Amino acid sequence: DGGITQSPKYLFRKEGQNVTLSCEQNLNHDAMYWYRQDPGQGLRLIYYSQIVNDFQKGDIAEGYSVSREKKESFPLTVTSAQKNPTAFYLCASSIPGELFFGEGSRLTVL
Amino acid sequence: AQKVTQAQTEISVVEKEDVTLDCVYETRDTTYYLFWYKQPPSGELVFLIRRNSFDEQNEISGRYSWNFQKSTSSFNFTITASQVVDSAVYFCALSEADQGAQKLVFGQGTRLTINP
Repeated sequence: DGGITQSPKYLFRKEGQNVTLSCEQNLNHDAMYWYRQDPGQGLRLIYYSQIVNDFQKGDIAEGYSVSREKKESFPLTVTSAQKNPTAFYLCASSIPGELFFGEGSRLTVL
Repeated sequence: AQKVTQAQTEISVVEKEDVTLDCVYETRDTTYYLFWYKQPPSGELVFLIRRNSFDEQNEISGRYSWNFQKSTSSFNFTITASQVVDSAVYFCALSEADQGAQKLVFGQGTRLTINP
């Protein structure tokens, strides 16, 4: 089945550690995105990529990094510089006019 | 700057009642897209509808209907004869008509609870 796969679904990390969230899509979409969701709030854009080896910052990129070495993959690293990393992270990919989401990864910093 | 406002934080109704979720948006673009997504407790976002700024026709899909009014910058969502399975958080979103990237701006969401 075509879709977007995020892993892990749940992740716990100690303060000061970097952690990488995986996002893979087999929809052959050029554009991919990372959004962050906090309780009671809407989604905010962290980074997006329109093509392999290129990506742009979204509204809240500080403390995060990404790479786009393959069309199918867009991993997100939450670095120790991110002050409030506990959140629900959603990956997405798109064709013009339509955005498809993965099932999300819930990160908790202990 | 683009902005989406969902003034209703939480709504609770009894099953079979009709319910309308409000969405008001701000944009300087003349061409844009509006979306509604459903987020059930499992967390994934389920696409419900997309409407472009040139199409003001109302849309009906089963028990769901959408009322797009450019004059009031609103894109409201109505569920008729609500069911318990409709319980979820609903998000309204706005994007520019960029052919490369769909950078959505989301509202804060409305948590809808349908009680049996």
